[in-house]
Amino acid sequence: SQQGEEDPQALSIQEGENATMNCSYKTSINNLQWYRQNSGRGLVHLILIRSNEREKHSGRLRVTLDTSKKSSSLLITASRAADTASYFCASSSGSARQLTFGSGTQLTVLP
Amino acid sequence: GAVVSQHPSRVICKSGTSVKIECRSLDFQATTMFWYRQFPKQSLMLMATSNEGSKATYEQGVEKDKFLINHASLTLSTLTVTSAHPEDSSFYICSARGTYRGYTDTQYFGPGTRLTVL
Repeated sequence: SQQGEEDPQALSIQEGENATMNCSYKTSINNLQWYRQNSGRGLVHLILIRSNEREKHSGRLRVTLDTSKKSSSLLITASRAADTASYFCASSSGSARQLTFGSGTQLTVLP
Repeated sequence: GAVVSQHPSRVICKSGTSVKIECRSLDFQATTMFWYRQFPKQSLMLMATSNEGSKATYEQGVEKDKFLINHASLTLSTLTVTSAHPEDSSFYICSARGTYRGYTDTQYFGPGTRLTVL
């Protein structure tokens, strides 16, 4: 499976600011998911957006999906120091619904 | 969300030995489990997909005789790294997918196993 791309690779912001991460994928998808990973830990599922949806909200998270451009974005509003982590998008495709992960964005929120 | 456990969380072994890693879904039945590998500061790379009761499907470039996967029950999958070498040192993460609270699309990830081969 070919890895998707994410940008930026690294993002450093002040607490209270918004953080936006972008993801591009290569094939048609069933859905796209965003995960968070703290250093040396497993992944935590954040949000899933289906291929027929364009926007989804969950708390301080807002995800958009543009299937014509094969891209998605994750917006974290009013960031907190505890949001510091790596964020990965993962596209689900095919009958097996395997996940293909993006390259990840390392977010640092400074107190 | 659903809970997936992995054991051990960390293992250090000598070159040439075999290491078994367990992945368990604790509160749902996982019809499909996935094994990933992650090198430092990199993303997750899918190694193989296993469905309960059938042979695993390996991704291109992953040696099935080196990375043995068994998915004998709906709550347990094991990955055995045979004759481990230093280049096998990595973070191994499993995930499980099944029906949890009516949803079937989400993969739930274990906390990972850090393997260090000396």
